[in-house]
Amino acid sequence: DGGITQSPKYLFRKEGQNVTLSCEQNLNHDAMYWYRQDPGQGLRLIYYSQIVNDFQKGDIAEGYSVSREKKESFPLTVTSAQKNPTAFYLCASSLRTSGRAYNEQFFGPGTRLTVL
Amino acid sequence: GENVEQHPSTLSVQEGDSAVIKCTYSDSASNYFPWYKQELGKRPQLIIDIRSNVGEKKDQRIAVTLNKTAKHFSLHITETQPEDSAVYFCAANEYGNKLVFGAGTILRVKS
Repeated sequence: DGGITQSPKYLFRKEGQNVTLSCEQNLNHDAMYWYRQDPGQGLRLIYYSQIVNDFQKGDIAEGYSVSREKKESFPLTVTSAQKNPTAFYLCASSLRTSGRAYNEQFFGPGTRLTVL
Repeated sequence: GENVEQHPSTLSVQEGDSAVIKCTYSDSASNYFPWYKQELGKRPQLIIDIRSNVGEKKDQRIAVTLNKTAKHFSLHITETQPEDSAVYFCAANEYGNKLVFGAGTILRVKS
């Protein structure tokens, strides 16, 4: 299961704290994504990046921030502004595409964040 | 934007029986429809996908059918086994290599 890794596997946060989730890939993929997964719901897109130093908001970006300073890395910060951050967070990567062309997304193992 | 609905939310079948999960999508421009399997606490893994220029695709016990006119696609698993028990997600693509996922189906195969 190499290629795309996430750390830590479990993370506990006190209310009011910012925390950063790590995502690293060695697949030489240009595009990277962050999803949030809640019980009974599908994966929802938080942020995505098609190229270094560029990223776009997904459907539920409020209370989150990202950076893309290196091709291999796409860290996600869950800020204190996120009202209900307890969830399973999944990172994914893919080859870059244009328009409606599609390349498979490969997922990391996930980070389970719990707010105490 | 794209909206994907998935049914049923849970499905119980007897080992050896078939299972069918259905999804509908809203954006007629979507042209790629993957299915992911996720075991408890694990990452989603692609099990089969279909592009809009194909009506059906099969891989051993798994098949996917696509009806572009009706904007729905289905996953068919034949001869189910206990190890097929998992959550299955359908998805459809949006512009920019983004995926929109259905809410998932919990499949339980009873032995």
